[in-house]
Amino acid sequence: EPEVTQTPSHQVTQMGQEVILRCVPISNHLYFYWYRQILGQKVEFLVSFYNNEISEKSEIFDDQFSVERPDGSNFTLKIRSTKLEDSAMYFCASRSTGGQGYTFGSGTRLTVV
Amino acid sequence: AQSVTQLGSHVSVSEGALVLLRCNYSSSVPPYLFWYVQYPNQGLQLLLKYTSAATLVKGINGFEAEFKKSETSFHLTKPSAHMSDAAEYFCAVSAMDSSYKLIFGSGTRLLVRP
Repeated sequence: EPEVTQTPSHQVTQMGQEVILRCVPISNHLYFYWYRQILGQKVEFLVSFYNNEISEKSEIFDDQFSVERPDGSNFTLKIRSTKLEDSAMYFCASRSTGGQGYTFGSGTRLTVV
Repeated sequence: AQSVTQLGSHVSVSEGALVLLRCNYSSSVPPYLFWYVQYPNQGLQLLLKYTSAATLVKGINGFEAEFKKSETSFHLTKPSAHMSDAAEYFCAVSAMDSSYKLIFGSGTRLLVRP
C-alpha cells in the first residue's frame, strides 16, 4: 500500500536554529498538508498546499514557517529560528481529489532545546 | 465552520467489555468523518471513515462507527475490548472547503483493564 514517508523520525535542534522537515507524499496525490501535535494535545492543522502554492494556512503558520515542493516528489516544512514551543510531532499528509483519501506519514518528532 | 467534540478525555474498560468512544460534530453541510488511532510514540492510523455512503461504517481491528445526522454524532464502538486496543483515539471532520483540511477532536485515551 502506498505510504507517505517522513524524515527524519526524530530531530533535536537548538533554539534559534533552522530546521527542515521532509516528506515524500504518495506519488499521484495532488494535495499536501502539514499538521502539528504538541505532546499530549490534539492534532492541529498548519498548512495545505496545492498546485505549487499554499491554499490555506492556520494562525499557527506564521512567518517563521514555510513550505516548499522543490521537486516532483518532496514536500518540505521549514521552521526558521526555532522556539522551545515548536517542540512537537509534525505530520505530513497527502490526498487525492475529494476529501476522502487522506494518508498520514508516521511523523517527525522535533525537540527544541 | 466545522468542529469536533470528543466527550471524555479518558475511558477505561475491562478486557472483553464494550468500547464506546463518543464524537459529536458540527457542520453546515454533510461532512466526511474519520476515526484515527494513535499508539504511544507513533503516527496516526486510519480506523474508519464516513463519506456519505452507508451510515454504519466498519473499520479495522473490529471497530465500527455509526453516522447519526439527527444527533450529529459519529460514535466509535467495538463489542469486545482487547488489551492491544489501549491507545489514543481521535475523531476528525473534513472541512468542506477547497482545502479539505482535517479538524481533529481533542482525543480520548482508551485504557483496557485486564
